[in-house]
Amino acid sequence: AQKITQTQPGMFVQEKEAVTLDCTYDTSDQSYGLFWYKQPSSGEMIFLIYQGSYDEQNATEGRYSLNFQKARKSANLVISASQLGDSAMYFCAMSFSGAGSYQLTFGKGTKLSVIP
Amino acid sequence: GAVVSQHPSRVICKSGTSVKIECRSLDFQATTMFWYRQFPKQSLMLMATSNEGSKATYEQGVEKDKFLINHASLTLSTLTVTSAHPEDSSFYICSATLAFPYEQYFGPGTRLTVT
Repeated sequence: AQKITQTQPGMFVQEKEAVTLDCTYDTSDQSYGLFWYKQPSSGEMIFLIYQGSYDEQNATEGRYSLNFQKARKSANLVISASQLGDSAMYFCAMSFSGAGSYQLTFGKGTKLSVIP
Repeated sequence: GAVVSQHPSRVICKSGTSVKIECRSLDFQATTMFWYRQFPKQSLMLMATSNEGSKATYEQGVEKDKFLINHASLTLSTLTVTSAHPEDSSFYICSATLAFPYEQYFGPGTRLTVT
C-alpha cells in the first residue's frame, strides 16, 4: 500500500525567506510520481510541481523546487523567497496504478503561514 | 490550458433530497475523472475513479448507491448524492487526468450543506 506522511501540521515563515515542507512516502512500486499541490482558503487544488521516480534531476518550477532523495523516500518541497500569497495548505501526493488509471494518495497536509 | 470546472460551487439542500454536481474538463478530453471528498481541516479522500463509458470504481467504504457517478463523455462527469443527510455535508472536488505523467487537474470544488 502507498502512504504519504507530512509531519508538519503547520509552519511559519518570514516573507522573502525560504521554507522547506517535509514529505516522506512508502511504496513497493518501482515507478511512481510525486506531486505537490497548494490549496488556498478558496479550496481549489493548484498543481505546483512533479517528480518522477526515475528522474535523476530534482524538479524545479519557478520558486518551487523538489528535494528528491529516493533512498530516504523523501520528497520535500522548497519554496524560495516566500510571498504573502503563499499562505495556504500544501499537500504532497503520490501517484500509483489503480482502478485502470493512476490514482493519487495524499498526505495530511501542512498549513503554511507567511508572516509580513 | 487544462481547466476543470465544477458546478455548482455551493449548494444547500434539505435532508432526503438529491443533489447533482457536474465536473467538466473545458479544454481537454480527460481519460479519467476522479471524485474526492474533503472534510474541514483534513486531506482529500478518494471516493471513486471514473472512466468514460464504463462504471465507476468506488473506494472501500463508499456507497455506490448513494453516490451515483455518471461519466457520459470525455469532458463531463456527474456525481449525484442521493437522499442526502447532514453527514454528507462536505467539500466535494473532482479532478481530470490526461496521459503520462497523469497529473490531475482539479476543479474548484463544491461545498454541499445538507440541512
